[in-house]
Amino acid sequence: LAKTTQPISMDSYEGQEVNITCSHNNIATNDYITWYQQFPSQGPRFIIQGYKTKVTNEVASLFIPADRKSSTLSLPRVSLSDTAVYYCLVRIGGYQKVTFGTGTKLQVIP
Amino acid sequence: GAGVSQSPRYKVAKRGQDVALRCDPISGHVSLFWYQQALGQGPEFLTYFQNEAQLDKSGLPSDRFFAERPEGSVSTLKIQRTQQEDSAVYLCASSPPMSLDTQYFGPGTRLTVL
Repeated sequence: LAKTTQPISMDSYEGQEVNITCSHNNIATNDYITWYQQFPSQGPRFIIQGYKTKVTNEVASLFIPADRKSSTLSLPRVSLSDTAVYYCLVRIGGYQKVTFGTGTKLQVIP
Repeated sequence: GAGVSQSPRYKVAKRGQDVALRCDPISGHVSLFWYQQALGQGPEFLTYFQNEAQLDKSGLPSDRFFAERPEGSVSTLKIQRTQQEDSAVYLCASSPPMSLDTQYFGPGTRLTVL
């Protein structure tokens, strides 16, 4: 099973770039890597998804090395509103089931 | 249109009571997922529907948990004879066709069993 491992928490000052790395040593060939953001009392929200190399959208960038055993979510110039839990997901056992990792609690400091 | 909606948002039940949690997915989304999220933990997969077919229910913790989606739209998660360990937030998510990795989540139902 492709288990994911992330840091439990991170702190960052406003305006800084934040990089959150996720390890997924057992990722399968057909699996994609997806990141979600969750605010308190809300459901998770899709941020970005990638298969290899680099993906960028209006919110974040996702860096995936050639071996795909890890991925890094990059949030440029974070603000207080980026304080949330960030989850790295890799599909497990086929297309139906996904497993959320432990999540990384990001605290942005003024 | 509107996002995924869930009702009720909060439910308090006495131990042993049955509860029913409702999920209205985004129109046109054939895939629907249920998750259980304990306090301070990530969401844990419970079950998955494609239209009305329940294709994966491997995450349901016991036979007290039952989910249905009879017409391929609204889904109900039922928990019979609730126990204190069932206290959690129950999240529903739906996905558009051919994009199962992009799930749109509802706000969740917080269940507290006393």
